[in-house]
Amino acid sequence: GDSVTQMEGPVTLSEEAFLTINCTYTATGYPSLFWYVQYPGEGLQLLLKATKADDKGSNKGFEATYRKETTSFHLEKGSVQVSDSAVYFCALSSGTYKYIFGTGTRLKVLA
Amino acid sequence: NAGVTQTPKFQVLKTGQSMTLQCAQDMNHEYMSWYRQDPGMGLRLIHYSVGAGITDQGEVPNGYNVSRSTTEDFPLRLLSAAPSQTSVYFCASSYSGGVRVNGDGYTFGSGTRLTVV
Repeated sequence: GDSVTQMEGPVTLSEEAFLTINCTYTATGYPSLFWYVQYPGEGLQLLLKATKADDKGSNKGFEATYRKETTSFHLEKGSVQVSDSAVYFCALSSGTYKYIFGTGTRLKVLA
Repeated sequence: NAGVTQTPKFQVLKTGQSMTLQCAQDMNHEYMSWYRQDPGMGLRLIHYSVGAGITDQGEVPNGYNVSRSTTEDFPLRLLSAAPSQTSVYFCASSYSGGVRVNGDGYTFGSGTRLTVV
């Protein structure tokens, strides 16, 4: 079945460091891919998405490129801020009525 | 404000009690779903609905019931609460439910933290 695998956390970085959170997927067909962010005590918010191979989703300085050849959708940001501290979830939707979420990666950014 | 509204935000139940978690959205979304979030396990789908009158089971449906009498509302019922149902519950909706090629993302509610003692 479809699945999403994320790197284990927590990831701890200093402010202005470069961020990569790895995400790989298994799916039949051509899924849409998403990154969601969850701040403490809140629900998940859609951060960015890509709907076909080679698409790049971007928002708030975060980027992720849909790589079909490596079945990956890694999240990157060039310079993180303390306010980026949150849990990040990779997810896919493969044309069925279900989204598949990864287990989440906690990011801590230190001032 | 438009969005997904969940009530209550916090609830403590005794084992064997029943209760209903409420979820309402005002975006005319066809697709609604319930997830539970547990440490180290991410989000797991409990039940979902693709429109009024239509519901289906997700990954972990046992112990939960749902109904969808209107487009706006999608309540989740715990029939007889158990400690294993201690979790954070999220309701989410989207326009298309991922069926269309240009998949829509979810809009999530802020969650209900449930403790069963």
